[in-house]
Order: sequence, then structure tokens, then C-alpha cells
Amino acid sequence: AQTVTQSQPEMSVQEAETVTLSCTYDTSESDYYLFWYKQPPSRQMILVIRQEAYKQQNATENRFSVNFQKAAKSFSLKISDSQLGDAAMYFCAYRVNPTSGTYKYIFGTGTRLKVLA
Amino acid sequence: DTGVSQNPRHKITKRGQNVTFRCDPISEHNRLYWYRQTLGQGPEFLTYFQNEAQLEKSRLLSDRFSAERPKGSFSTLEIQRTEQGDSAMYLCASSLVLAGNNEQFFGPGTRLTVL
Repeated sequence: AQTVTQSQPEMSVQEAETVTLSCTYDTSESDYYLFWYKQPPSRQMILVIRQEAYKQQNATENRFSVNFQKAAKSFSLKISDSQLGDAAMYFCAYRVNPTSGTYKYIFGTGTRLKVLA
Repeated sequence: DTGVSQNPRHKITKRGQNVTFRCDPISEHNRLYWYRQTLGQGPEFLTYFQNEAQLEKSRLLSDRFSAERPKGSFSTLEIQRTEQGDSAMYLCASSLVLAGNNEQFFGPGTRLTVL
């Protein structure tokens, strides 16, 4: 069974500094997708960044980038130049290629990020 | 496009009562998903629809839970004979089938409290 593990329940970062959130996953599939979602307090989840497993190049979206290590099954999120608005719960999610017949996401337990002014 | 909407946002009920939640996906999205999120946990998949067909159900979806998407647009999730363990945030998400596009867009959730 596929699982997603986020071992950091909470992280803190000083404003303007860089922070890395960890995520590991377990799967026997070779083709899948990985996501980081942000869930601000009392607001809906929004997609931060997406990585296709077949792509070797790490995804980047402005201040957000990932370090995707397929062999190690690791998918960390780096936030550069942290801003107060980055404070939220961050969830790592996995989805197998839909040719397997499923479209569900499997989420980790989340990391609460605090940004200190 | 107003995004995914869910109603009600909060529901308090007594144990044993039935509750129904509604989800309105983004208008052109043909896939709709339900997840449950308990405190301190990530969302857990419950079920999903492609158009009006319910294509996958989690074993978390006991026989007290039923979901429908009668016309392939909005969806309802009903919980019968609620139990205190049903207290959670129920999230709805939708997506559009496009090659290479796998993003699910989430609604704000319905927070259920069972007393």
C-alpha cells in the first residue's frame, strides 16, 4: 500500500529565511505524481507545486521548489524568502498514474509552518 | 468561476441524527472527490465520481455513508445515524480530465461536530 510520511509536525522559520519541509513516500509504482498543498487556517487547500515522477528536473514555482529523489522516495519542499503569508499547514500528497484505475490522493499528516516576524 | 463551494460550512448534530452535505464543483470539472480530515491528520479519501458514476469507494465509507452526484454536477454526502467518531472536516475537491493535468481543487470543507 502507498503511504506518505511527513515527520515534522511543526516547523518555524524567520521571515525572509529559507525552510525545507520533508516528505517521504512508499510505493511500488514507477509512474506517479507528487504534490505539496498549503492549507491556511480556516481556508481551503491550494496547490503549491506538483512533480511528475518521470521528470528528473525538480519543479519550481517562484519561491517554492522541490528536491525530488526518486530512488530514495523523498520529496522535500523548499520555501525561499519566507513571508508571513506562508504560515499554514503543508501537506504532501501522492497520486499514482490514473492508468492504474484510481485518482485518489494519499496525503501525509502535514507540517505546520510558523513564520516569525 | 467561483471555485469549489461546500454547504453548510459548519454542522452540529446529535448522535443518531442524519446529516447531508452538498458540494458544488468548478463548473466544467467532471471529476468530484470526497475526503475526510480529522484533527491533526491529512485528508483521507472517501469516494470519487466521474460525471454521475461513482467509480471508487474507500473502505472508510461505511454503509452509513452514501454519496450521490445525480446529474454529474453537484454532489451530496449523507451520513446516517451519526456517531461521535464521524466528527471531522469533510472536504470536496474537483478536477478536469486533461492529459497531464492532475490537480484537484479543494473546497473550504464542512466541519461536522457530533455531540
